[in-house]
Amino acid sequence: KAGVTQTPRYLIKTRGQQVTLSCSPISGHRSVSWYQQTPGQGLQFLFEYFSETQRNKGNFPGRFSGRQFSNSRSEMNVSTLELGDSALYLCASSSHGTASTDTQYFGPGTRLTVL
Amino acid sequence: DAKTTQPPSMDCAEGRAANLPCNHSTISGNEYVYWYRQIHSQGPQYIIHGLKNNETNEMASLIITEDRKSSTLILPHATLRDTAVYYCIVRVENTPLVFGKGTRLSVIA
Repeated sequence: KAGVTQTPRYLIKTRGQQVTLSCSPISGHRSVSWYQQTPGQGLQFLFEYFSETQRNKGNFPGRFSGRQFSNSRSEMNVSTLELGDSALYLCASSSHGTASTDTQYFGPGTRLTVL
Repeated sequence: DAKTTQPPSMDCAEGRAANLPCNHSTISGNEYVYWYRQIHSQGPQYIIHGLKNNETNEMASLIITEDRKSSTLILPHATLRDTAVYYCIVRVENTPLVFGKGTRLSVIA
């Protein structure tokens, strides 16, 4: 099975712009979670989508949003970019259900740099 | 906040077993113990998880104490490629992963 894929892998934007990141989960996985990793804050949960509905949400401002499509692919959007949004954005997918099938598998991440 | 405590760093000689401890004294009965690792700037890699019993897979073994207040991840024969940050996470199924600072394991030739 192919793993979780994320596009693009690297992105450079300027302050005030918006950005959209894409995640394709492992085939058959219905849950997609997004995380942000920065040197200062570490790995932090952004939100989770399951069957096109946001199921969990972390403590991030409304500038961060996401959605999931019927094929389970997900996108996240950050509007009005700030310098502090520079981070590695990670996507993880899982089957959902019991703990054995709920294991999250991560993609390689998208490195976003805001100038 | 993370519910686990791990040493910030550890060294291990190549070929020897690496034993990474994790304290989770406030763990609830329905919380699982998960281990992930992250090699520099890559996405975290799932290693193993367990509830009460010890678990083993092709990557590692997970030893959970009888009171479930601590656990140890064992890499039986560490190689240089096992150098990474290892995260111990306690979690109820279908909830987000909460990462702490993890343990930076350095495998030394």
